[in-house]
Amino acid sequence: DAGVIQSPRHEVTEMGQEVTLRCKPISGHNSLFWYRQTMMRGLELLIYFNNNVPIDDSGMPEDRFSAKMPNASFSTLKIQPSEPRDSAVYFCASSARIEAFFGQGTRLTVV
Amino acid sequence: GIQVEQSPPDLILQEGANSTLRCNFSDSVNNLQWFHQNPWGQLINLFYIPSGTKQNGRLSATTVATERYSLLYISSSQTTDSGVYFCAVDRSGGGADGLTFGKGTHLIIQP
Repeated sequence: DAGVIQSPRHEVTEMGQEVTLRCKPISGHNSLFWYRQTMMRGLELLIYFNNNVPIDDSGMPEDRFSAKMPNASFSTLKIQPSEPRDSAVYFCASSARIEAFFGQGTRLTVV
Repeated sequence: GIQVEQSPPDLILQEGANSTLRCNFSDSVNNLQWFHQNPWGQLINLFYIPSGTKQNGRLSATTVATERYSLLYISSSQTTDSGVYFCAVDRSGGGADGLTFGKGTHLIIQP
């Protein structure tokens, strides 16, 4: 199994630009999670999906953030417009029942 | 929501030493996981252990759910054990609802 696959691994963008992060969960997993890691706030849950349906997006910081899961094998996290304070590592994770497995993360830098 | 506290926050040891990392949580859980974040930022699953004891090579973990704590033991430390160790529990105690992470223990193993 290839594990959870995220792209890109690194992204540098200018303030105001749209950023799209992508995630392919482990095949057969029905839950998908987006997390953000910063020095100040640590690892925090942004949103999660069960069977492609968003269940809880209370962790999404602002309306500039949106996430979609059009099918069982693909999800996106979009930031529009991006701001320097969005700079962080964004992780995607998936689970079949309870135990979660993480992708390698996308390091986002907004300048 | 659930609170997760890890101790110690930092630990510096010589190669070959043993260590015990602690995780306290504030409510009952259905999921508790230990992760190792290596210097490259990857989150590596160590244990899924909502209760009981497990061992994997030089690492072992014990969770006493009734007393709301978990311990991670590392024996005969190697420099490759360096990194941050996170404890994470499911947020609502009801299954795959997303993990709440502690702030981690930053472990440095010196040769």
